[in-house]
Amino acid sequence: DQQVKQNSPSLSVQEGRISILNCDYTNSMFDYFLWYKKYPAEGPTFLISISSIKDKNEDGRFTVFLNKSAKHLSLHIVPSQPGDSAVYFCAANTGGFKTIFGAGTRLFVKA
Amino acid sequence: NAGVTQTPKFRVLKTGQSMTLLCAQDMNHEYMYWYRQDPGMGLRLIHYSVGEGTTAKGEVPDGYNVSRLKKQNFLLGLESAAPSQTSVYFCASSYGGGGQEETQYFGPGTRLLVL
Repeated sequence: DQQVKQNSPSLSVQEGRISILNCDYTNSMFDYFLWYKKYPAEGPTFLISISSIKDKNEDGRFTVFLNKSAKHLSLHIVPSQPGDSAVYFCAANTGGFKTIFGAGTRLFVKA
Repeated sequence: NAGVTQTPKFRVLKTGQSMTLLCAQDMNHEYMYWYRQDPGMGLRLIHYSVGEGTTAKGEVPDGYNVSRLKKQNFLLGLESAAPSQTSVYFCASSYGGGGQEETQYFGPGTRLLVL
C-alpha cells in the first residue's frame, strides 16, 4: 500500500517553461511534506518542504503547493533549466522520523 | 565536512555470501537510516537508529541486520545474500525532532548485485 504516490514516472519540459511534478498521499496524519532531488550516481538531496498548516512555500524558482482536502501536493519549477533534469522524490512524515517516499518522477528539461 | 559517506560504492556478491555496508556521518546527527531503492518502488526504509546503541526495524527489514556502536557510524549487514537483495542502498542521517529538522542527508549510495 503506497501511502505516497507519484503517478508520472517521467516528465519532459522545454527549457524556460514551467515544470509541474505531482504527488498524492493517502495518510491524513501526514503533517510535513518534502521534495528531494536526485542526480544519477548521487544520493537524494533536500529541495523544499511544506508544513501541513501552509498551502504554499516558495524558494527561488521552486514552489510547493499543498491541497490537504485533495491530499495532493505539487512542485512547480519556473523557469525550468537543463540542470534541473533529475529524479524528484516526494516524501511525507507525521512529524516523527519515519519518512515515506514516493517512487519518483524523472524530469527531462530540453535545451 | 564530508557529510554522509558510504563504503563500498559497488559490490558483486554470490548468493549466500555475507557483507557489511558502512555508513559514516560527521554532522553529529542522532538519527541514521538505511534505505533501499528499487525501480518503481522509491526509497524503502530497512532499519533505522535514533541514537548510539539503538536500532529498530523499518518497512523491509528481513534479511538485514544493523549496528550503531558509535554515533557517527551505522552498519548494514547481509548475513546470506539473495538475488532479491540486488538494489541500490542509501544511508541517511538527520538531527531528529520533527518538522524541518527531519530533513535527511543522504550518502551517495552503494550498488549491490547478488548473483
